[in-house]
Amino acid sequence: NAGVTQTPKFQVLKTGQSMTLQCAQDMNHEYMSWYRQDPGMGLRLIHYSVGAGITDQGEVPNGYNVSRSTTEDFPLRLLSAAPSQTSVYFCASSFPGTDTYEQYFGPGTRLTVT
Amino acid sequence: RKEVEQDPGPFNVPEGATVAFNCTYSNSASQSFFWYRQDCRKEPKLLMSVYSSGNEDGRFTAQLNRASQYISLLIRDSKLSDSATYLCVVNLYNFNKFYFGSGTKLNVKP
Repeated sequence: NAGVTQTPKFQVLKTGQSMTLQCAQDMNHEYMSWYRQDPGMGLRLIHYSVGAGITDQGEVPNGYNVSRSTTEDFPLRLLSAAPSQTSVYFCASSFPGTDTYEQYFGPGTRLTVT
Repeated sequence: RKEVEQDPGPFNVPEGATVAFNCTYSNSASQSFFWYRQDCRKEPKLLMSVYSSGNEDGRFTAQLNRASQYISLLIRDSKLSDSATYLCVVNLYNFNKFYFGSGTKLNVKP
């Protein structure tokens, strides 16, 4: 199993550009989520999904869109990049109902918006 | 007010020392509790879940105090490889939202 994969690893955008961060998992997990991590802020939940076709907002959803057409994939779209979206983005997946609710994280995407 | 608060540290300790971190959470509806470890520029990984009765995994002991709304992590006989940031995580009753603390940095020195 590859686990949770994310692409790209690094990205530089200009203000106003749009892009999609890719996330895929091969563990058949129902739950997937996107976080951003900023210095001193910890990880903050952007959007999450409890299954194909079902998504919901987290703490900081503004400026981001998601969709979940398959169990495996959960892309995050930045609609019009802003410098405030410079951050490290992590995708995670888990299988709710297990004893630990362990979340498995991808390696992250480091995004800089200039 | 943050859902989860942690002392950012850093905690600088010698090898072999015992070190403890605390984490407080604000929502009494929180149901599940975890400690994650994050190495520099890497993704977080589950260290251990925290159960109501407390639990131990080798040199690591986690405890939960629901009345005071805090969880703790105790590391005994610290190793150089324990140097990392430790993230406290709580999950509300519907388990769909996980709230992360900002992390406590531990440096174990020879």
